Amino acid sequence: EVQLVESGGGFVHPGGSLTLSCAASGFNFGIYWMQWVRQRPGKGLEWVSHIKGDAISTSYADSVKGRFTISRDNAKNTLFLQISSLRAEDTAVYYCARGGTWATLDYWGQGTLVTVSS
Amino acid sequence: EIVLTQSPGTLSLSPGERATLSCRASQSVSSNYLAWHQQKPGQAPRLLIYGASSRATGIPDRFSGSGSGTDFTLTISRLEPEDFAVYYCQHYGGSLWTFGQGTKVEI
Repeated sequence: EVQLVESGGGFVHPGGSLTLSCAASGFNFGIYWMQWVRQRPGKGLEWVSHIKGDAISTSYADSVKGRFTISRDNAKNTLFLQISSLRAEDTAVYYCARGGTWATLDYWGQGTLVTVSS
Repeated sequence: EIVLTQSPGTLSLSPGERATLSCRASQSVSSNYLAWHQQKPGQAPRLLIYGASSRATGIPDRFSGSGSGTDFTLTISRLEPEDFAVYYCQHYGGSLWTFGQGTKVEI
């Protein structure tokens, strides 16, 4: 069974940093693209970042470029998102998701909440 | 950048009725890269449809997707109580993923 479990969310002041983690199990993690998607309170889904299985190729939404860094440890089946220079508008539930057929997001974690406030 | 516009914003229906949700892209897209996700309150999204018309694993056949070019549709043939949720279309292209703003299906 595919499982994705996020952790690392919490309360942080503006300008602060956090590292989110996503522990994957039930599939061959190293060959799959992985994504981060966020959802601000009461709002829709916003794609944040993507990383290919090789851990080298990445892409970012313009809203987070230069502040967020995606990475992965294929030996530990774990995906990461380092988020820095945080702003109030980064307050959201952050989901990790697996990239499946035709680059869709075929499995999602339960999410981890990041709250940015002074 | 492709923009996905979903309509209507809210769809008010009763169990047993048919639901038709629309997703329009700002430019023609490949059907291969168009998907639909369902999200219930307090839950993570769940993939329903990929490649515009292929059902994901375990998705009931009352859910169907269709369309091409700029116009795509998600149809729920007979609404079950558990189908009342928010539905998002999603596209991939050029190393970017885009979501529509969502359609809420409510009783």
